[in-house]
Amino acid sequence: AQKVTQAQTEISVVEKEDVTLDCVYETRDTTYYLFWYKQPPSGELVFLIRRNSFDEQNEISGRYSWNFQKSTSSFNFTITASQVVDSAVYFCALSEATGANSKLTFGKGITLSVRP
Amino acid sequence: GAGVSQSPSNKVTEKGKDVELRCDPISGHTALYWYRQSLGQGLEFLIYFQGNSAPDKSGLPSDRFSAERTGGSVSTLTIQRTQQEDSAVYLCASSLPPSGQRGRETQYFGPGTRLLVL
Repeated sequence: AQKVTQAQTEISVVEKEDVTLDCVYETRDTTYYLFWYKQPPSGELVFLIRRNSFDEQNEISGRYSWNFQKSTSSFNFTITASQVVDSAVYFCALSEATGANSKLTFGKGITLSVRP
Repeated sequence: GAGVSQSPSNKVTEKGKDVELRCDPISGHTALYWYRQSLGQGLEFLIYFQGNSAPDKSGLPSDRFSAERTGGSVSTLTIQRTQQEDSAVYLCASSLPPSGQRGRETQYFGPGTRLLVL
């Protein structure tokens, strides 16, 4: 069975600090997809990134970067120079390529608070 | 373009009543998912529709929950005889049709329906 663990529950930083959100996953599949979503106070889940299991290349998008390491089953997310608008709940999710559907298995989420 | 829409945005009901929640997916997205977000359980998968195939209902918590999708577009999630533990945010997501390998489609979520059962 697939599982996603986000051990950090709440993180509080001061604006302009860098922050890393951890994600560890478990799956028996060799082909799978990992996602990060952001849930701001408005409640809507906003897609941030998708990574497939074949591609371990790290990705950077502006202040956001992701570090995918199959050896440790981790897919960590770093926000550089955090801003108040980054305050939200961040979810890591896993979708296996086999199985009945492409349902997402989510971690419990990390509440990030960025203080001015 | 328009995203996933859900209605109502909030629903307060009394225990024992039936409720219907609606989801309108992104145009062209044949896959549709329902999830539930509650404080105790986090985000949980409920049901999956893909085109005209039989839905995957493996995540529905009880037979009080059902869903249908008419014309391959709009979906309705129905909860019968609501209980207080049904209070949660119900999220709908849609995605493009499956490609060569399942799981690669990105799911886009609606704003959710906040259900409170008194």
